Amino acid sequence: EDQVTQSPEALRLQEGESSSLNCSYTVSGLRGLFWYRQDPGKGPEFLFTLYSAGEEKEKERLKATLTKKESFLHITAPKPEDSATYLCAVRRGGFGNEKLTFGTGTRLTIIP
Amino acid sequence: DVKVTQSSRYLVKRTGEKVFLECVQDMDHENMFWYRQDPGLGLRLIYFSYDVKMKEKGDIPEGYSVSREKKERFSLILESASTNQTSMYLCASSFGLAGGPGETQYFGPGTRLLVL
Repeated sequence: EDQVTQSPEALRLQEGESSSLNCSYTVSGLRGLFWYRQDPGKGPEFLFTLYSAGEEKEKERLKATLTKKESFLHITAPKPEDSATYLCAVRRGGFGNEKLTFGTGTRLTIIP
Repeated sequence: DVKVTQSSRYLVKRTGEKVFLECVQDMDHENMFWYRQDPGLGLRLIYFSYDVKMKEKGDIPEGYSVSREKKERFSLILESASTNQTSMYLCASSFGLAGGPGETQYFGPGTRLLVL
């Protein structure tokens, strides 16, 4: 069974204080690892897809990296508007496997 | 931009009522999904559809059914609502092409359902 574990559950940072969120996964033949951002009461917003170990993607203050067992979401010099819950999900390989398995998320709070 | 819309943001229903949640996407996506999201449990897949009139069970299909009569529209039906179906319901869609951006699922704003 595919499993995704995110840590920490919650993280409070001062504005400008860089840090990383972790997503550990177990999946048969990874076909993609996805990062989403979710604001309270809203649907998840797509951030990145990573396909193979060593791959990196960047968007503004966010950078996602991938190894064979985990992914990190690095946040550099965060601002209060980066406060949200960050979700990680994986898709297994094989034809017709459209299902994503999600972690429970990391709730990030940036204090001005 | 991909747009996925859901018929209601908030719903309050009584136990035993039949509930319809509707989702519409405007990007000609092949695949559509229904999830529920609960604190501490994350997003769990209820049903998905990869074509009109086609459906596949997800991880927690019990107590739910779905309908996809048109490509852009995917409905979730609670045949007889129960209090344990109080949750946030999220619809998503994806283009469906393997190995590229077409696999990304885009989500709607969610429907928060309260069953009394």
